[in-house]
Amino acid sequence: GDSVTQTEGPVTVSESESLIINCTYSATSIAYPNLFWYVRYPGEGLQLLLKVITAGQKGSSRGFEATYNKETTSFHLQKASVQESDSAVYYCALGARNQGGSAKLIFGEGTKLTVSS
Amino acid sequence: GGIITQTPKFLIGQEGQKLTLKCQQNFNHDTMYWYRQDSGKGLRLIYYSITENDLQKGDLSEGYDASREKKSSFSLTVTSAQKNEMAVFLCASSRQNYAEQFFGPGTRLTVL
Repeated sequence: GDSVTQTEGPVTVSESESLIINCTYSATSIAYPNLFWYVRYPGEGLQLLLKVITAGQKGSSRGFEATYNKETTSFHLQKASVQESDSAVYYCALGARNQGGSAKLIFGEGTKLTVSS
Repeated sequence: GGIITQTPKFLIGQEGQKLTLKCQQNFNHDTMYWYRQDSGKGLRLIYYSITENDLQKGDLSEGYDASREKKSSFSLTVTSAQKNEMAVFLCASSRQNYAEQFFGPGTRLTVL
């Protein structure tokens, strides 16, 4: 079936260190998957961090990057130097278009990141 | 830009009670969604609607009803609240044929 697996949290990283949150997906019923990272900062709603809709492309936002790798079915989230303000819960999601043009999102379970000073 | 509002922010009900959650969006999006998120877990799709008066079941529709009264609003009814369904319910919307979804702030349900 279709699924998303990401790094199990919680993850703690020191400020200015590098970060990688792993995400792998299975898209057996989806011809052209779209891949997303969503983030929930403390006290805020879920919001889109970045998206990539074409295999081989890289998305970036707020210093974070993720490359859509079709060969390894991965979409890992990376940042070279994290800040305390990056502390949040990060969700990898796989987008699939349904009949009629709607789009389902299949979410991973989320990775809670704490950046310590 | 636009915004999605969900009411109420907190909902407390008794076991067996029928409870309704409401969602409004002003993006003028065609498709709207209801998700449930249990503590420490990912989101699971309950219902979605691709246009006014349309309803499609998600993976978790049993025990829920939904209604798309107009393009901008989508309600979810818990038909008989159970203690094991205490969770945050998230509403989202998207443009037709686009996978990116925009989310509301959520309604936290507590069942006593």
